[in-house]
Amino acid sequence: DTAVSQTPKYLVTQMGNDKSIKCEQNLGHDTMYWYKQDSKKFLKIMFSYNNKELIINETVPNRFSPKSPDKAHLNLHINSLELGDSAVYFCASSQDRRGHQFFGPGTRLTVL
Amino acid sequence: GIQVEQSPPDLILQEGANSTLRCNFSDSVNNLQWFHQNPWGQLINLFYIPSGTKQNGRLSATTVATERYSLLYISSSQTTDSGVYFCAVELYTNAGKSTFGDGTTLTVKP
Repeated sequence: DTAVSQTPKYLVTQMGNDKSIKCEQNLGHDTMYWYKQDSKKFLKIMFSYNNKELIINETVPNRFSPKSPDKAHLNLHINSLELGDSAVYFCASSQDRRGHQFFGPGTRLTVL
Repeated sequence: GIQVEQSPPDLILQEGANSTLRCNFSDSVNNLQWFHQNPWGQLINLFYIPSGTKQNGRLSATTVATERYSLLYISSSQTTDSGVYFCAVELYTNAGKSTFGDGTTLTVKP
């Protein structure tokens, strides 16, 4: 009965590969987010979707492409992975775009 | 963009002590949240508090929006309170975009 779930929890891959991280929420929320937390613990928003529509797209390389097949899912696809992409990626959701946010457990991505 | 400053950056307490964490922000906000990231990396939402005061057990928070700051109070701290505390704010003009502070790392010693 996890509210916001992400898979995989850990991802280790080689530079240049393409990978995806999946996120699902069972809270019935309209808004979902992707955040990146770097090695110094700084948290920064990457994308936000409201009712499957992209509303926030920060200055993220276009190698990162979010996809929202429905309101309950927001996946993150990353092409041509680079060393600097190593981080923990968090998915979150909220009732609406101004709401109380609930975070998933995070996906630790390591690019070798 | 909006600036969010948290203080202190690090705090070490003995179990049972009280503490106050501060979050200053540079613009009018529509939304302010406090989060706790535990040593296992999990982010827990503590308060959604754009203004006023809220209490939840040993924790309470106050936001004075007109003066652009928020305070998180932890009373009778326990070792399980250790971790990083973040505040995150959202501008009226930019709904859906939360800007996080750099966090306060709290260590509670037994």
